[in-house]
Amino acid sequence: GENVEQHPSTLSVQEGDSAVIKCTYSDSASNYFPWYKQELGKRPQLIIDIRSNVGEKKDQRIAVTLNKTAKHFSLHITETQPEDSAVYFCAATLRGSARQLTFGSGTQLTVLP
Amino acid sequence: DVKVTQSSRYLVKRTGEKVFLECVQDMDHENMFWYRQDPGLGLRLIYFSYDVKMKEKGDIPEGYSVSREKKERFSLILESASTNQTSMYLCATQGASTGELFFGEGSRLTVL
Repeated sequence: GENVEQHPSTLSVQEGDSAVIKCTYSDSASNYFPWYKQELGKRPQLIIDIRSNVGEKKDQRIAVTLNKTAKHFSLHITETQPEDSAVYFCAATLRGSARQLTFGSGTQLTVLP
Repeated sequence: DVKVTQSSRYLVKRTGEKVFLECVQDMDHENMFWYRQDPGLGLRLIYFSYDVKMKEKGDIPEGYSVSREKKERFSLILESASTNQTSMYLCATQGASTGELFFGEGSRLTVL
């Protein structure tokens, strides 16, 4: 089955700086890579995803990059704000098959004012 | 707006008790999931279901069972709760067209 590793487990940045979270996956057949954000006491919510036919996707201050050869993908947050403080989870799956996601272990991002 | 409702936000049970966690969704999604969330371990899949009366084991099914008698309701059952099942349990449904998961607010279970 798929195995997803996520680093770092904790990340502190100054407000306005950039944050990068990295994930690697094991199954070269995986082709869908979403990122979920979970604020304290709240449910995880999808913030961005990428499919294997593209190398990068951007949505305002967040972007995701995918390197299929190396089997890793990353979340980039620019101009961080206090409301970006949360736990971020990456995930990978083979869409069209079982449709269940394998999640990384999560990254606690803290944006310091 | 998708609504996924979990019946209990906080539960405290004793070792050996039977525990029912219920999840109801209002979006007519076929796919429903139960995850367990523990610090440093991420979200781990316990069971999932593609349709009424259908269920599949996830990565950590031991000690759990599920029931899906109606499309909108997916229940997680702990036949005999143990202390190592103290955790946050998250139910989710999945949109067929996008694959996005919609989560409930979670049920925090403490087993004493």
